[in-house]
This record gives sequence, structure tokens and C-alpha cells, in this order.
Amino acid sequence: TQLLEQSPQFLSIQEGENLTVYCNSSSVFSSLQWYRQEPGEGPVLLVTVVTGGEVKKLKRLTFQFGDARKDSSLHITAAQPGDTGLYLCAGQTGGATNKLIFGTGTLLAVQP
Amino acid sequence: KAGVTQTPRYLIKTRGQQVTLSCSPISGHRSVSWYQQTPGQGLQFLFEYFSETQRNKGNFPGRFSGRQFSNSRSEMNVSTLELGDSALYLCASSGGSSYNEQFFGPGTRLTVL
Repeated sequence: TQLLEQSPQFLSIQEGENLTVYCNSSSVFSSLQWYRQEPGEGPVLLVTVVTGGEVKKLKRLTFQFGDARKDSSLHITAAQPGDTGLYLCAGQTGGATNKLIFGTGTLLAVQP
Repeated sequence: KAGVTQTPRYLIKTRGQQVTLSCSPISGHRSVSWYQQTPGQGLQFLFEYFSETQRNKGNFPGRFSGRQFSNSRSEMNVSTLELGDSALYLCASSGGSSYNEQFFGPGTRLTVL
């Protein structure tokens, strides 16, 4: 069974701080996606990374795909209260089944 | 484009009953997936439908079933409800991207008493 473990599970920080969320697996994924989910809503796609070692930036958010395509990280610079939410990584298995395996989630609270 | 819509948004049922949830994908999207989200288990894949055929299935009992219509709208059915079925049920549509990127609806919050 392919699993994606995220750490930390919970994170409460002050506005302006930096943070990093990790997404780890022992399996190789053909691509990896990051989503953010706010209370009462479904997850919203933030980014897709495809190539090992790839780095993508979305304003204050930096996403990196591990060289071996087994792990990923999300770094937020100068967090703001609007960044509050549940962050989910999702690995694409590829091949015949081509499923998305979602990570365990990181709940981020940014205090003003 | 309108987003993914799900109805109803909230539902309360009792054990043993059955329930049907509905999902309308983004116009032009032919793939619809269903997920169950709970605090303990996170987001778990139920099944995916594409062109009215089930293309993928997760590890859920046969009480969970679904179908897709010719207009790509999908329904999910849960029979003989159990307390543990209380969850947020999310529907997502995909437009055929190579990366299977999911566009989620707001979910249906099911409470089983």
C-alpha cells in the first residue's frame, strides 16, 4: 500500500514566520500535487510538480519535488492569516491505475 | 466556468438507512472521483468514473457504490449506513490532464446517528 506521510501534523505560528511542511513516501510517484483546504470547502489545487528536483514558486509558497520523486516539501515565507488551512499533498501513481494517493494532511493556523 | 457542485450539502441519517449523494462536474470534465474525508483517516479514495464506467476503485466495502450518467453527472450511494460512515464526502472532477488534477466540490457532510 502506498502511503504519504506529512509532517508536522499540526502547526500554529505567528504572522510573519516561515514554515516548511514535508510529504514523504517510500514509493515513487509520477507527479505530486499540493492542495489547500479551508473549513467547509473542498481542497483547491495549488501546484503540480513533475520532475525530480523541480522547484515551483507561487508568491510566498515554494514547492519542491525530491530528486527521487518520493518526497516533497512546501515552504511558506512570511506566513499570513490567509494561509490558514489544511495542506494536503497527493502523489500520482501513474501506470494502469493512475490513482491519486493523498497525504495525511498538515493543519496550519497562522495567528495575527 | 461553474465549479463542481454537490447536493445536498448536509445530511443526517440513522443507522441502517441508505443515502444517495449527487455531484455535477465542471462542464466538459468526463472523470468524476469520490472521496471520503474523516479526521482519523484523512482523505480516502472511493472510486472514479469516466464515461459512465468505473475506472478505479478504492478499498471500501460493497455498501459504497456509484454511477455516472451520460452527462457526466455522478451519484454515490451508501446502503445500510453505519456510525463510522459519518464523514465529509467529496466529489472531484478532472478534465483529462496527464496529471489527474482534481477539482473538488464543497462536499456533503453526512452524519449517521
